[in-house]
Amino acid sequence: SQQGEEDPQALSIQEGENATMNCSYKTSINNLQWYRQNSGRGLVHLILIRSNEREKHSGRLRVTLDTSKKSSSLLITASRAADTASYFCGINTGANSKLTFGKGITLSVRP
Amino acid sequence: EAGVVQSPRYKIIEKKQPVAFWCNPISGHNTLYWYLQNLGQGPELLIRYENEEAVDDSQLPKDRFSAERLKGVDSTLKIQPAELGDSAVYLCASSKGSYTEAFFGQGTRLTVV
Repeated sequence: SQQGEEDPQALSIQEGENATMNCSYKTSINNLQWYRQNSGRGLVHLILIRSNEREKHSGRLRVTLDTSKKSSSLLITASRAADTASYFCGINTGANSKLTFGKGITLSVRP
Repeated sequence: EAGVVQSPRYKIIEKKQPVAFWCNPISGHNTLYWYLQNLGQGPELLIRYENEEAVDDSQLPKDRFSAERLKGVDSTLKIQPAELGDSAVYLCASSKGSYTEAFFGQGTRLTVV
């Protein structure tokens, strides 16, 4: 079963604009992880945010976590054509630290 | 540092035939995952190992799928016999521990005809 649900399913923006992607989940988490996947490739880890953290940054990426709303957001600032990919949130839950993924968001950045 | 290595990259087999996938995780990573990914979907966990022990195989269809991780390093995933619905990408990932980020291989794209 998939724990996380990303929103929107697809997003198309112009190069230079910011992209905001959301992830909601159902149960308490150990941590939440965002990944990128280019067509035909494996997933690449972007950021991990722990359940006791509220915000993390990495370059042009900013992730927030609201455990009261059971949601997270990934913000990509000043997007580039190379950011075109699918983005997934991975939910790490339970004492057995199971890592499950949602269906993903398809981001298209137009040059 | 070498990443997660999977082979083969592509495999085409006829239904009812057996198939095996191989994964070499990043050195020192104790946790190993096998995921299945259908087109347009997210990865679905099949099995997770901590060292050589399968700690979560609840999603593995045990009537036809099997996996092993010898000596807590390399792992193989086998399907016997394959069905048309098994066509998908099979992803292997590893991590230092189950609470840390996972590193994925390129995947094996299986086509069952």
